[in-house]
Amino acid sequence: EGQLFESGGGLVQPGGSLRLSCAASGFTFSSYAMSWVRQAPGKGLEWVSAIDGNGGITYYADSVKGRFTISRDNSKNTLYLQMNSLRAEDTALYFCAKDRSLLWFGQLISWGQGTLVTVSS
Amino acid sequence: EIVLTQSPATLSLSPGERATLSCRASQTVKTNYLAWYQQKPGQAPRLLIYGASIRATGIPDRFSGSGSGTDFTLTISRLEPEDFAVYYCQKYGGSPIPFGPGTKVDIK
Repeated sequence: EGQLFESGGGLVQPGGSLRLSCAASGFTFSSYAMSWVRQAPGKGLEWVSAIDGNGGITYYADSVKGRFTISRDNSKNTLYLQMNSLRAEDTALYFCAKDRSLLWFGQLISWGQGTLVTVSS
Repeated sequence: EIVLTQSPATLSLSPGERATLSCRASQTVKTNYLAWYQQKPGQAPRLLIYGASIRATGIPDRFSGSGSGTDFTLTISRLEPEDFAVYYCQKYGGSPIPFGPGTKVDIK
């Protein structure tokens, strides 16, 4: 089912921006929708955003709509999450996850190990 | 928007025992688009069950899912040491895709 490797996390001040990347290997990246899911420290899972395999259709949780932008570069086998206007409550481990098909379905069949985003002054 | 609740929050059992985890939805989950994930400390979640009862690739048959409508169950027939983890249910098939709060299965 391939491998996913997230990067780009770090410490950022409230109101700041950060761009996460997820490098995919071992499968035909353009054939699968992808999602970002986050997990605040000690808490449960929260779906954040998703994009279909072609990159033409995107989806967002209400909590990030208007602040986060998901995109992908199928020529580079890479998924992105541009995060703007960051808040303390965005602090979490961010996972990228592969969907079951080209069209987004939300059935997350494989996951990366995550990248930690900390929003603090 | 569907909200998922899971019970119990924590289940304390011994290896070899049977574990029964519950997931309840606030509305009918259409077409049984209900999945279960396992997460061990420091690891990413892993898909166990989809379609309420279909085991994902490579998942041992001691894991089984059942239910429909608003009530779903994950059963681990005989707990192995590696099964002690947190289990999340999730509704999929359309935005948003909520997760339940999780059930922690720990060693008694």
